[in-house]
Amino acid sequence: DVVLTQTPPTLSATIGQSVSISCRSSQSLLHSNGNTYLHWLLQRPGQSPQLLIYLVSRLESGVPNRFSGSGSGTDFTLKISGVEAEDLGVYYCVQGTHAPYTFGAGTKLELK
Amino acid sequence: EVQLVESGGGLVQPGASLKLSCVASGFTFSDYWMSWVRQTPGKTMEWIGDIKYDGSYTNYAPSLKNRFTISRDNAKSTLYLQMSNVRSEDTATYYCTPTPYFDYWGQGVMVTVSS
Repeated sequence: DVVLTQTPPTLSATIGQSVSISCRSSQSLLHSNGNTYLHWLLQRPGQSPQLLIYLVSRLESGVPNRFSGSGSGTDFTLKISGVEAEDLGVYYCVQGTHAPYTFGAGTKLELK
Repeated sequence: EVQLVESGGGLVQPGASLKLSCVASGFTFSDYWMSWVRQTPGKTMEWIGDIKYDGSYTNYAPSLKNRFTISRDNAKSTLYLQMSNVRSEDTATYYCTPTPYFDYWGQGVMVTVSS
């Protein structure tokens, strides 16, 4: 199974600060069809997960452009350029390239 | 508006069976592979398995394939998860979501396995 290692597990930020979350995969997430099915989810407290970024760097409709994703192969990063209060919660990376699909352990973003 | 509504959870005894449902609306359900994902009380996310858009093929997490069965009824836009011989470690919130983009999520349904 593909293991996704997310760091850091917890992130303390002030409003307006820029932060990054890393997601490293135990094997390449490049699919034979040329897509890399690495996505980022946010789960706000008491809510269901929501998709923020799909295919590494594509912004889901309605998601603010302070969120961005980058990376390739086995190394991926989610960046928030200017944290806002509504961004607090747990961020997960998830891969849909190799079944069984797997999730990172999550990164909790909290206010400093 | 896309909606996924899971149901069928509750408190069940170890060894029992349970069938969860997920009713979809707002998108063409029959065009999508669909997954079940669960989240443990400790917030760990685990993919259970998925089913092809026409129901002809399923994938499962190896540790669960002997006890869990995924099916669908496209005429009813409904996804199912049949759980058998449940264990305490199956206690979780269960979600349905399209694969491989995980782009829509319902509110989830809680399953508690306890005597």
